[in-house]
Amino acid sequence: NAGVTQTPKFQVLKTGQSMTLQCAQDMNHEYMSWYRQDPGMGLRLIHYSVGAGITDQGEVPNGYNVSRSTTEDFPLRLLSAAPSQTSVYFCASSTPGRGFEKLFFGSGTQLSVL
Amino acid sequence: SQQGEEDPQALSIQEGENATMNCSYKTSINNLQWYRQNSGRGLVHLILIRSNEREKHSGRLRVTLDTSKKSSSLLITASRAADTASYFCATDVVDSWGKLQFGAGTQVVVTP
Repeated sequence: NAGVTQTPKFQVLKTGQSMTLQCAQDMNHEYMSWYRQDPGMGLRLIHYSVGAGITDQGEVPNGYNVSRSTTEDFPLRLLSAAPSQTSVYFCASSTPGRGFEKLFFGSGTQLSVL
Repeated sequence: SQQGEEDPQALSIQEGENATMNCSYKTSINNLQWYRQNSGRGLVHLILIRSNEREKHSGRLRVTLDTSKKSSSLLITASRAADTASYFCATDVVDSWGKLQFGAGTQVVVTP
């Protein structure tokens, strides 16, 4: 199993450009999520999904869109990039039961918006 | 503000010493988890402790949970250089399904 795969690893955008960060998992996990990590602030939840066709907002959803058409994929879209979106982005997945037992993380995408 | 707050923010120790870090949180939880992040990498799950548990062990890791004080501690015994990483606590908050909340982390440096 590859686990959680994120692409690209690095990306530089100009303000106003759009792009999609890709996330795929091969563990048949129902739950997938996107976090951003900024220095000194830990991880903050952007969006999450509990299954195909179901998405919901996290703590910092503004400026980001998501969709979940398959169990395996959960892309994150930036429609008009802003410098405030410069961050490291992590995708994570899990099989939640009574609670969240364990998140599996991808290796991250480092995004710079100029 | 964040649900989990780690203390200290940074910790520097020598190989063989023990490393202790603490996590405080604000609201009732289902469980509390600890993750490790090596520089430039994704987070890796270390250990989970449920709200009805007080202590848990996994190899050189020992986690305690005090729900009355809303705090947890992670102890790494006999530290190794390979333990150099950032450590994060994460809380599965009651009535907040789907939103595992992370603290800002403790950066641990273990010198040979």
